[in-house]
Amino acid sequence: EAGVVQSPRYKIIEKKQPVAFWCNPISGHNTLYWYRQNLGQGPELLIRYENEEAVDDSQLPKDRFSAERLKGVDSTLKIQPAELGDSAVYLCASSSRQGSYGYTFGSGTRLTVV
Amino acid sequence: GQQLNQSPQSMFIQEGEDVSMNCTSSSIFNTWLWYKQDPGEGPVLLIALYKAGELTSNGRLTAQFGITRKDSFLNISASIPSDVGIYFCAGLQLIYQLIWGAGTKLIIKP
Repeated sequence: EAGVVQSPRYKIIEKKQPVAFWCNPISGHNTLYWYRQNLGQGPELLIRYENEEAVDDSQLPKDRFSAERLKGVDSTLKIQPAELGDSAVYLCASSSRQGSYGYTFGSGTRLTVV
Repeated sequence: GQQLNQSPQSMFIQEGEDVSMNCTSSSIFNTWLWYKQDPGEGPVLLIALYKAGELTSNGRLTAQFGITRKDSFLNISASIPSDVGIYFCAGLQLIYQLIWGAGTKLIIKP
């Protein structure tokens, strides 16, 4: 089966510009996660979806970050405006059932804000 | 926020050597997970531990859930070149809240 697909793989933008990341989870996976991974650190959860509902967005900086998962399949994470400190790898992951933490990660989008 | 102390930060080893790394915390966890991340890829789950004292193997990898529930260990026996990468521990307290360590970077000496 196809894995979690993310695009783009790399993105370089100037600060104050908007940016969007896209994720296509594994078919049939109801739970979708967006993580941010800074260099030399483990991933940090930004938001978790169960189908189309954002059930945990407590760590999402809502002043500049937004996410959506229309129809409970693909998801988009947006930053507007981007700041220098947003440079990181943004990882999407999905799992087939609630409480399953052996979820599958995508390859990530490496964002560089200059 | 909560932190897991993962050590060592990096390891230089010879091919064929055994490797040990660990994670400790001041908090109790219900589940410990070990992941490996290759360059340019997302983490991949290696081993999941669900009970204090549990010892679980996956090929050349063996992990243990510490008896105090505050630590976990990962051992790799007879390392090979494809073992290079970053190994992360992650602890689960509440059902969805994974706390991640900072990773152990494994480098094999040429």
